[in-house]
Amino acid sequence: DAGVTQSPTHLIKTRGQQVTLRCSPKSGHDTVSWYQQALGQGPQFIFQYYEEEERQRGNFPDRFSGHQFPNYSSELNVNALLLGDSALYLCASSFGTASYEQYFGPGTRLTVT
Amino acid sequence: TQLLEQSPQFLSIQEGENLTVYCNSSSVFSSLQWYRQEPGEGPVLLVTVVTGGEVKKLKRLTFQFGDARKDSSLHITAAQPGDTGLYLCAGDERYGQNFVFGPGTRLSVLP
Repeated sequence: DAGVTQSPTHLIKTRGQQVTLRCSPKSGHDTVSWYQQALGQGPQFIFQYYEEEERQRGNFPDRFSGHQFPNYSSELNVNALLLGDSALYLCASSFGTASYEQYFGPGTRLTVT
Repeated sequence: TQLLEQSPQFLSIQEGENLTVYCNSSSVFSSLQWYRQEPGEGPVLLVTVVTGGEVKKLKRLTFQFGDARKDSSLHITAAQPGDTGLYLCAGDERYGQNFVFGPGTRLSVLP
């Protein structure tokens, strides 16, 4: 039973560029949430996708957008990258939008230079 | 915006010692969760507490939710090097939604 997978593992981008990160949820899960974890801090909620729609959103600018596909996998897109976007981006999956149990992937380490 | 504070920020102890880490907020949460995160990995859920005053035990780990559902503690008995990691607490603003994470306590258990 595969857990949550994310790709790529690491990514280096230049300021102003755009990036797409990918997540496949745990088998049987239909909801994907994205978090940003800056160095030395706890994860911050970006948004959640369910039934291919954004259901909840944290305090992040519109430069952060996402998508969920019919197979429940998800993408996180960040436009016009800033140095401050450098962080570990975590994907978590769950069953339904109101679940206490969410399983995290290993994350994608994004470095913006 | 609900905020969670964790203390201490860093903790280094010898194998076999006991320790307690704390998670505090001025806000009431529907539930509180504890996670452990190791380098290069995502957080792993340890426990969820939902009732004020609730105590849950997971082997050598004891979790308590405050009566007012604003704070929680994690107590580890006879710590082992395998307990080393970043311990994160997270609370949800509504049932299972909008989880807010604390900054974490980084624990190092020396053999």
